[in-house]
Amino acid sequence: GEDVEQSLFLSVREGDSSVINCTYTDSSSTYLYWYKQEPGAGLQLLTYIFSNMDMKQDQRLTVLLNKKDKHLSLRIADTQTGDSAIYFCAVFGGSQGNLIFGKGTKLSVKP
Amino acid sequence: DTAVSQTPKYLVTQMGNDKSIKCEQNLGHDTMYWYKQDSKKFLKIMFSYNNKELIINETVPNRFSPKSPDKAHLNLHINSLELGDSAVYFCASSLGSGSSGNTIYFGEGSWLTVV
Repeated sequence: GEDVEQSLFLSVREGDSSVINCTYTDSSSTYLYWYKQEPGAGLQLLTYIFSNMDMKQDQRLTVLLNKKDKHLSLRIADTQTGDSAIYFCAVFGGSQGNLIFGKGTKLSVKP
Repeated sequence: DTAVSQTPKYLVTQMGNDKSIKCEQNLGHDTMYWYKQDSKKFLKIMFSYNNKELIINETVPNRFSPKSPDKAHLNLHINSLELGDSAVYFCASSLGSGSSGNTIYFGEGSWLTVV
């Protein structure tokens, strides 16, 4: 079945750029998603990219998609302490087409 | 206005009890989901309903029974609660079923603790 992999931790200093990486196995997902979960809170849709695109930019967020390598990344420019959260990569997959999540990358931003 | 709302947000209960979590969405979506997030933050789908019909039923114990009275509501009833059921349960909804073009919106989660 579909497998979505992410590194579990990332630590950066405030003001630096953060890059969170994700790899997946099933390439049939038309859209690929990034969700954000702040401590003690729910899941917030952060951004997504259409599978025919290589890059999508939305203010401080840049999503890069390499379909050949099945690699998705999320870059956060000028990372702030408020960006500290768990970031989940998600793609559709499986026989029933459900949304499959990576294990989440916990981003810690140090002042 | 909250798009996907779940109640209760926090629930502490004893082993063996039966409890329900309710979910409602006001987005006009026809597909609703329950996801479970364990203590390691891993998220996994449990159930999916489309227009009140069960679409996805992952390997979830029979003690978990979803009920969808209409397409705007999907409730989760859990019988004979066990310690391992302690988790965060997320309700979600989307327009359309199983299609990779439909964004899924999540509720705020229900934190269940079984003692």
